Amino acid sequence: GDSVTQMEGPVTLSEEAFLTINCTYTATGYPSLFWYVQYPGEGLQLLLKATKADDKGSNKGFEATYRKETTSFHLEKGSVQVSDSAVYFCALRGGGTSYGKLTFGQGTILTVHP
Amino acid sequence: DTEVTQTPKHLVMGMTNKKSLKCEQHMGHRAMYWYKQKAKKPPELMFVYSYEKLSINESVPSRFSPECPNSSLLNLHLHALQPEDSALYLCASSQVPGGGPQHFGDGTRLSIL
Repeated sequence: GDSVTQMEGPVTLSEEAFLTINCTYTATGYPSLFWYVQYPGEGLQLLLKATKADDKGSNKGFEATYRKETTSFHLEKGSVQVSDSAVYFCALRGGGTSYGKLTFGQGTILTVHP
Repeated sequence: DTEVTQTPKHLVMGMTNKKSLKCEQHMGHRAMYWYKQKAKKPPELMFVYSYEKLSINESVPSRFSPECPNSSLLNLHLHALQPEDSALYLCASSQVPGGGPQHFGDGTRLSIL
């Protein structure tokens, strides 16, 4: 079955540091890939997405590239802010008759200090 | 601001109570989802509605009963819950099943006494 593996956290950075959160996946066919962010006390917000190989998703300074050859979708940001502190989930949506079911990674807690 | 609205935001209930969670979206989406999220864990899919019909039930106990009265509304009826059912319940929607990203509400935090 489909699976997503994220780097274990928590990740602690200073403001303006470079961020990478690794995400690799296992899936049949051609899944769509997503990064969601969850701030304390809130639901999940879609951060970015990519639907085919070599697509680059970007939003709010975050970027991730769909790499089929390495089955990866790593999240990066050049300069993090305190307001980026949250839990980040990598997810995939398989094709076929999955009715849009999302498979999530375990989540990575990011804390950014001033 | 989230485009998927969930009420109530918080709910405390006893094990013998009956209550309902409500979810509403006005984006014209035809797929709606219920998830359960425990602390520090990813969401777990419970139910999927596709064009107002139940498409997926992930072996959820019968004390959880979903209902989709129309294309904008999704309810989750709760009865005789257990303490381990305490969690954040998230609703999501997408344009069609398997099409477009899922948009989540802020959830209902449920506590079972």
